[in-house]
Amino acid sequence: AQSVTQPDIHITVSEGASLELRCNYSYGATPYLFWYVQSPGQGLQLLLKYFSGDTLVQGIKGFEAEFKRSQSSFNLRKPSVHWSDAAEYFCAVGQGEGSQGNLIFGKGTKLSVKP
Amino acid sequence: DAGITQSPRYKITETGRQVTLMCHQTWSHSYMFWYRQDLGHGLRLIYYSAAADITDKGEVPDGYVVSRSKTENFPLTLESATRSQTSVYFCASSPRRLNEKLFFGSGTQLSVL
Repeated sequence: AQSVTQPDIHITVSEGASLELRCNYSYGATPYLFWYVQSPGQGLQLLLKYFSGDTLVQGIKGFEAEFKRSQSSFNLRKPSVHWSDAAEYFCAVGQGEGSQGNLIFGKGTKLSVKP
Repeated sequence: DAGITQSPRYKITETGRQVTLMCHQTWSHSYMFWYRQDLGHGLRLIYYSAAADITDKGEVPDGYVVSRSKTENFPLTLESATRSQTSVYFCASSPRRLNEKLFFGSGTQLSVL
């Protein structure tokens, strides 16, 4: 069965610093991979997704993520964090083309931004 | 463009009472989902539906009932609420396959006393 691990529960970075949030997945074939963001009191919003093709994907709000098959990872990055990026971030994995399986979410990483 | 709306936004109830959380979407998406979000557990799927009158269990279905008589509505009922069902509940929808992009509502915060 597929699974998702986000090793960092809480990360604090300074405004303007770079950011990398880690995500590791367990799945035998090429998965569908997603990053969602949740602002306080809100539902989740899709940041970016990887289905196939270029392993570096661009998302909204200046985020990007890189799929590394050899490491079973899909880490989220941003070169310069803004205070408005403070939120909780969820990585999710789906079973890929033709599958009827549901998305599996990681437990989330809470991002705090220092001024 | 209303999207996906959940009601109520907040609900306090007592143990043993029946509670229904509402979810309505305006996109005519085929798939709809109910998740619960708890600290330390992330999001866990309760039930999902592939179309009207088609529902199926997710990871944590016990104590919950769903129905989908119309494509746009997917209510979640707690038949006899328990304290362990205190949580934030999110409804989501998707236009196609189960594992594509989800569109989420703003959530219902439920407290069972």
